[in-house]
Amino acid sequence: DAGVIQSPRHEVTEMGQEVTLRCKPISGHNSLFWYRQTMMRGLELLIYFNNNVPIDDSGMPEDRFSAKMPNASFSTLKIQPSEPRDSAVYFCASSLRVGSTDTQYFGPGTRLTVL
Amino acid sequence: AQTVTQSQPEMSVQEAETVTLSCTYDTSENNYYLFWYKQPPSRQMILVIRQEAYKQQNATENRFSVNFQKAAKSFSLKISDSQLGDTAMYFCAIHTGNQFYFGTGTSLTVIP
Repeated sequence: DAGVIQSPRHEVTEMGQEVTLRCKPISGHNSLFWYRQTMMRGLELLIYFNNNVPIDDSGMPEDRFSAKMPNASFSTLKIQPSEPRDSAVYFCASSLRVGSTDTQYFGPGTRLTVL
Repeated sequence: AQTVTQSQPEMSVQEAETVTLSCTYDTSENNYYLFWYKQPPSRQMILVIRQEAYKQQNATENRFSVNFQKAAKSFSLKISDSQLGDTAMYFCAIHTGNQFYFGTGTSLTVIP
């Protein structure tokens, strides 16, 4: 199995631009999580999906952030407009299901720099 | 609310020695799972070990083992025979209900 795939691995953009991060979960997993990691705030859960449906988006910082999961094999996290404080590493993770038995498997992350 | 506390921001250990990373947590749930994740300089998050709260036996994975004290809500990670490749950030996490909560991490350096 290829594991969780994220693209791009690195993204540099200018303030005000739209940024789209992509994630392909492990085949057969039906829960997907988006995290943000910064030095100041550590690892934060932004949103997660179960069976393509958003379950909890309370971690999404503001309306500039949106996430979609149109099917079981693809999800996007969009920031519009981007700001320098959005600079972080964004991780996508998947698990077989949302439940207390399941391990999350993380992708390699996308390092976002907003100038 | 759930919280996870890692009180050691940085630690170091000599190669081949043993080191223990501490983690405490707080939850009102009875059913939960505890995890240790490793994040090397490559930034990948890698599962090290997990523990089911209902099991009294401590989990072990090769050189990695945990000391799970449910009453004390403590979940420490012991790394035996430390190797240079163990240098990384280590995150403790709890999974309860529909949520994951991570600690702030411990940066471990293995010294040759």
